[in-house]
Amino acid sequence: GQQVMQIPQYQHVQEGEDFTTYCNSSTTLSNIQWYKQRPGGHPVFLIQLVKSGEVKKQKRLTFQFGEAKKNSSLHITATQTTDVGTYFCAGPDSGGSNYKLTFGKGTLLTVNP
Amino acid sequence: KAGVTQTPRYLIKTRGQQVTLSCSPISGHRSVSWYQQTPGQGLQFLFEYFSETQRNKGNFPGRFSGRQFSNSRSEMNVSTLELGDSALYLCASSLLGGSSYEQYFGPGTRLTVT
Repeated sequence: GQQVMQIPQYQHVQEGEDFTTYCNSSTTLSNIQWYKQRPGGHPVFLIQLVKSGEVKKQKRLTFQFGEAKKNSSLHITATQTTDVGTYFCAGPDSGGSNYKLTFGKGTLLTVNP
Repeated sequence: KAGVTQTPRYLIKTRGQQVTLSCSPISGHRSVSWYQQTPGQGLQFLFEYFSETQRNKGNFPGRFSGRQFSNSRSEMNVSTLELGDSALYLCASSLLGGSSYEQYFGPGTRLTVT
């Protein structure tokens, strides 16, 4: 079945530094979603990317979907303490069902004020 | 709109017991998915229900089961609990389900098996 790999597993930055997490799939994805989970919280949907090469921005967050639709990235410019949390990418399962989302293991971001 | 609710929020059970967790989706959402979250394995898909039908199941033993009611509320059951079942169980509702629709997660049920 499809695996969604995320790197790095952990990232610690100083407030104001940039942060990037990468997501790679072993198969082509029809779309990819990104979620954020604050410590002690639950995942919250951030965005969905569908088109090859798509780039979407949400304030300081920039999301990209690779040309081959096998990878994606989330970049945060000038991190703030409110950005702390685990960022997950998720893609549809390639095993034939469109009703199953496979999540990467996430990147835990900590920000030193 | 009210968000996804899960009950109970915390649960402590003993090995061998069984447990039932409940999830009420956002009004109008017909798809409910269940996930197990652990530090080592991350978020793992358990199953997804739509209009009372299970459309997909993850790679979990048969001790894990679920169902959905006509009002879209869902329950999951774990029988013969093992220590390794200790985890945060999250349910997520979606308008129509599938990977094309965003999922709204509930706060989760923290299950501890002793």
